[in-house]
Amino acid sequence: QKEVEQDPGPLSVPEGAIVSLNCTYSNSAFQYFMWYRQYSRKGPELLMYTYSSGNKEDGRFTAQVDKSSKYISLFIRDSQPSDSATYLCAMSRPGGGTSYGKLTFGQGTILTVHP
Amino acid sequence: EAGVAQSPRYKIIEKRQSVAFWCNPISGHATLYWYQQILGQGPKLLIQFQNNGVVDDSQLPKDRFSAERLKGVDSTLKIQPAKLEDSAVYLCASSLAHWGAGDTEAFFGQGTRLTVV
Repeated sequence: QKEVEQDPGPLSVPEGAIVSLNCTYSNSAFQYFMWYRQYSRKGPELLMYTYSSGNKEDGRFTAQVDKSSKYISLFIRDSQPSDSATYLCAMSRPGGGTSYGKLTFGQGTILTVHP
Repeated sequence: EAGVAQSPRYKIIEKRQSVAFWCNPISGHATLYWYQQILGQGPKLLIQFQNNGVVDDSQLPKDRFSAERLKGVDSTLKIQPAKLEDSAVYLCASSLAHWGAGDTEAFFGQGTRLTVV
């Protein structure tokens, strides 16, 4: 079983739709949860960063973490064609040692928003 | 602020040949990572440096891959000899990664796309 599971999609939605992207994980040691956006032929760029459980909102984007269910989500409101990209969830563990800063990624979900 | 620089952007080699990738992290970033991203998959960590010391290389195929970070700044990743399954995008990332919460944000370069034929 992979530590982080993400539905690869692809997901195609009309402009203006609400998009829901999800990841599940198995390692309860993960404390930091991130969403990266990756455009074609580019490196991933950090979109949202959440520590432990709860919600975080940034403009049209909302990240949710449910540690009891080991489940994280990213919601995109009023989706735009410019949101078309691959969305990667990533997680890391706190503290020192070799695990510090190491990101474990999901497979990525390909999103297309059409006009 | 300049981002993470990588070169070359693209490389095509034949199997059993060798190849090297170069990375210049963001100035002041102590931690440098090399990730391998195979088409359709998320990035997988190959090696992590803290300054010029290796923190984690547990997923680096050491029989063919090697990496170094001289003087705690630039880094090179080498593959020798290359196999067909090494075809992937090699991403370099850097972070401040101080010992504390909230400093694990990693900034990625554009990557080097390697094709082994």
